[in-house]
Amino acid sequence: NAGVTQTPKFQVLKTGQSMTLQCAQDMNHNSMYWYRQDPGMGLRLIYYSASEGTTDKGEVPNGYNVSRLNKREFSLRLESAAPSQTSVYFCASRQPTNTEAFFGQGTRLTVV
Amino acid sequence: GESVGLHLPTLSVQEGDNSIINCAYSNSASDYFIWYKQESGKGPQFIIDIRSNMDKRQGQRVTVLLNKTVKHLSLQIAATQPGDSAVYFCAEFTSGYSTLTFGKGTMLLVSP
Repeated sequence: NAGVTQTPKFQVLKTGQSMTLQCAQDMNHNSMYWYRQDPGMGLRLIYYSASEGTTDKGEVPNGYNVSRLNKREFSLRLESAAPSQTSVYFCASRQPTNTEAFFGQGTRLTVV
Repeated sequence: GESVGLHLPTLSVQEGDNSIINCAYSNSASDYFIWYKQESGKGPQFIIDIRSNMDKRQGQRVTVLLNKTVKHLSLQIAATQPGDSAVYFCAEFTSGYSTLTFGKGTMLLVSP
């Protein structure tokens, strides 16, 4: 049982480049989330998908797009990376009625 | 929207001591309050939650206390061990909404 799997684990981008962060969960959860974590800022919600076929903005959505490809997969895309997007990105999933969210190992992204 | 916050950014204790990590919240409508633990290089991991109509809940070596009068949440760890060294986040959840809102985190350092 892999839980939540994120790829890649590390990435360095140049300003203006694009990339997609991948996330997959094998727990049949309806809800999936993308957070970013910056020093002293805690976890901030970028986008979420309450269920397959729906996506909504979180606290810090600017500069990002998401796709809920199917129930298992939820990807995060940076169309034109900026240094301010240097962060650690976490994907998470849970059942909507359950407080326990399961997190991936994170993607450490550096934009130079 | 309203957010969950923490009083102390870093807590240093000796092995065997009891640790208390505090959190202030502002959203009185939250149905659950949750504690997560994040070890270095890993994603956050669920520890324990407490429903808003409860004052206390105990788990294995951990106790969560909720004081709704002053909007205060605490996590008590008994007989703290070096393996408890991590960042601890409080989070809130409101039924009917899909999101978990996290505080900024407290780092717990346990020395032998």
